[in-house]
Amino acid sequence: KAGVTQTPRYLIKTRGQQVTLSCSPISGHRSVSWYQQTPGQGLQFLFEYFSETQRNKGNFPGRFSGRQFSNSRSEMNVSTLELGDSALYLCASSSTGEYTEAFFGQGTRLTVV
Amino acid sequence: AQSVAQPEDQVNVAEGNPLTVKCTYSVSGNPYLFWYVQYPNRGLQFLLKYITGDNLVKGSYGFEAEFNKSQTSFHLKKPSALVSDSALYFCAVRDPGKGGATNKLIFGTGTLLAVQP
Repeated sequence: KAGVTQTPRYLIKTRGQQVTLSCSPISGHRSVSWYQQTPGQGLQFLFEYFSETQRNKGNFPGRFSGRQFSNSRSEMNVSTLELGDSALYLCASSSTGEYTEAFFGQGTRLTVV
Repeated sequence: AQSVAQPEDQVNVAEGNPLTVKCTYSVSGNPYLFWYVQYPNRGLQFLLKYITGDNLVKGSYGFEAEFNKSQTSFHLKKPSALVSDSALYFCAVRDPGKGGATNKLIFGTGTLLAVQP
């Protein structure tokens, strides 16, 4: 089974621009979560989508948004980029079930200059 | 609110010696606990989880974890460390939030494990 695929792996953007990151979950997984990882704040939950609906959201500004498509693929968008948005963005997929673990992609390294 | 704490930023151990990476938790309700490992410039790899049942949980790559309810701890252990075990280890707890189904995880700050040859 293919794992979680995130594209692109690396991105460099300029302050004020917007960016879209993509995540393809493991086949059959309907839950996709996004996390931001930085040296200062560690791993922080952004949001979770399940069957195209956002079912949980972390404490991030409205510049961070996401969506999920009918094939469970997910995208997250960050508008009006700030230097502090530089981070590793991780996507995780989980199967249906109450006690399942999350499987992570390799992440997208975003650098804002 | 759910939380986990990893009191050690770094753990150093010699190859062949046993290793322990500590994690304590604070939850309301039943704790659903996880351990993940991260190698440089990579995502997180699942090692093991505790949902209910036996307090000793066995996972991938020879790792195990001991759940202790009275001490609210979930320490990761391995009988004999390998140099290739050197990585960043994260403890996590599922956060049910306002209730209902969710896969949201709250992570600890991570512990860097360094295994010397």
